[in-house]
Amino acid sequence: DARVTQTPRHKVTEMGQEVTMRCQPILGHNTVFWYRQTMMQGLELLAYFRNRAPLDDSGMPKDRFSAEMPDATLATLKIQPSEPRDSAVYFCASASTGNIQYFGAGTRLSVL
Amino acid sequence: QKEVEQNSGPLSVPEGAIASLNCTYSDRVSQSFFWYRQYSGKSPELIMSIYSNGDKEDGRFTAQLNKASQYVSLLIRDSQPSDSATYLCAVNIVGDSDMRFGAGTRLTVKP
Repeated sequence: DARVTQTPRHKVTEMGQEVTMRCQPILGHNTVFWYRQTMMQGLELLAYFRNRAPLDDSGMPKDRFSAEMPDATLATLKIQPSEPRDSAVYFCASASTGNIQYFGAGTRLSVL
Repeated sequence: QKEVEQNSGPLSVPEGAIASLNCTYSDRVSQSFFWYRQYSGKSPELIMSIYSNGDKEDGRFTAQLNKASQYVSLLIRDSQPSDSATYLCAVNIVGDSDMRFGAGTRLTVKP
């Protein structure tokens, strides 16, 4: 079953807490993207990796967000400390080089 | 100026009509163009890709690309209520690097 898997699907937390979101890309895909989607801003690219190396994280607030890819089957996005303005749906997508991006189901984050 | 621009809508069409969704992009070196459909509460899913000028048809969907005008569109023929969703235009700006998305156009097909 070739699909991008994201966990958790929903997360409710309090301001100041650490949040970790995980993504398992499609097997064989070498590029992983993290997006954030809100009603106001639409779909924003936060960061992406190719062959596990970060290529662009300019869309990510560096002071509280971090993205890593510890191995080819796992990408993580962490927020520490979380703030109410971080409430959004976070999507992971994966692709083969130069090809179409396939999206996971997303993590719906609510920071109270 | 945003890199990829779409009319946010909402666009409302009656069932059976043709829905026309438009997208313009700013970077002339853009090479690949995509339309994603996103149902409410769901993730974007690819419905069309187009790489060269002209029309590309897939069932009820036709993508049209005009690189000289920096314009890409999606036509949905015989629109169905199940087509009601937000349609995201995406453009691959430079080679095989990241894809830029428009804000999306919300389409409603009324029975």
